[in-house]
Amino acid sequence: NAGVTQTPKFQVLKTGQSMTLQCAQDMNHNSMYWYRQDPGMGLRLIYYSASEGTTDKGEVPNGYNVSRLNKREFSLRLESAAPSQTSVYFCASSGGPGQPQHFGDGTRLSIL
Amino acid sequence: GEDVEQSLFLSVREGDSSVINCTYTDSSSTYLYWYKQEPGAGLQLLTYIFSNMDMKQDQRLTVLLNKKDKHLSLRIADTQTGDSAIYFCAHLNTGGFKTIFGAGTRLFVKA
Repeated sequence: NAGVTQTPKFQVLKTGQSMTLQCAQDMNHNSMYWYRQDPGMGLRLIYYSASEGTTDKGEVPNGYNVSRLNKREFSLRLESAAPSQTSVYFCASSGGPGQPQHFGDGTRLSIL
Repeated sequence: GEDVEQSLFLSVREGDSSVINCTYTDSSSTYLYWYKQEPGAGLQLLTYIFSNMDMKQDQRLTVLLNKKDKHLSLRIADTQTGDSAIYFCAHLNTGGFKTIFGAGTRLFVKA
């Protein structure tokens, strides 16, 4: 019953360093998503992948890139980390449009 | 617009009912969701309702939808300390791929 697995769970970076957050799902879902959660702001969509081979920008894509490596995996990359990217990052997946999203437990990222 | 508004905090006593309210602006939303987030964890889907329904009941949970006023509520009967969490209202946008979340309501349950 793994569901959506995110690695790492915690990470501290220095400004300017790069980092890739990994996400994998074992539910054979078509769609995958990356969100960031900041206090008092709910979840904001960074990027999503409606199906394998496609990616699209969400609400706050600047400073991030994504790769849909295969149907299972969707990674998020910070090329040059900035303190404003300190946040909790959640990956989610769903079977398709309208179907509820299933979330991982998050990656807590601090950038000094 | 795609905004979702919720109050940030709610405090109830154990055994009472909790009602968490949400308003949204996208009148063409087809699916509306309630998610629960416990400390240190991701969001867990509690329940959802289609826009052509007024009410959905699932054990202690009752969802009411007033589509005319774009108002969604979640009622938790016989609230327990284990219900303490953040509750997010969300809806599917008209494009069908983006789920728009509110900022979350933190529910405190006092013993």
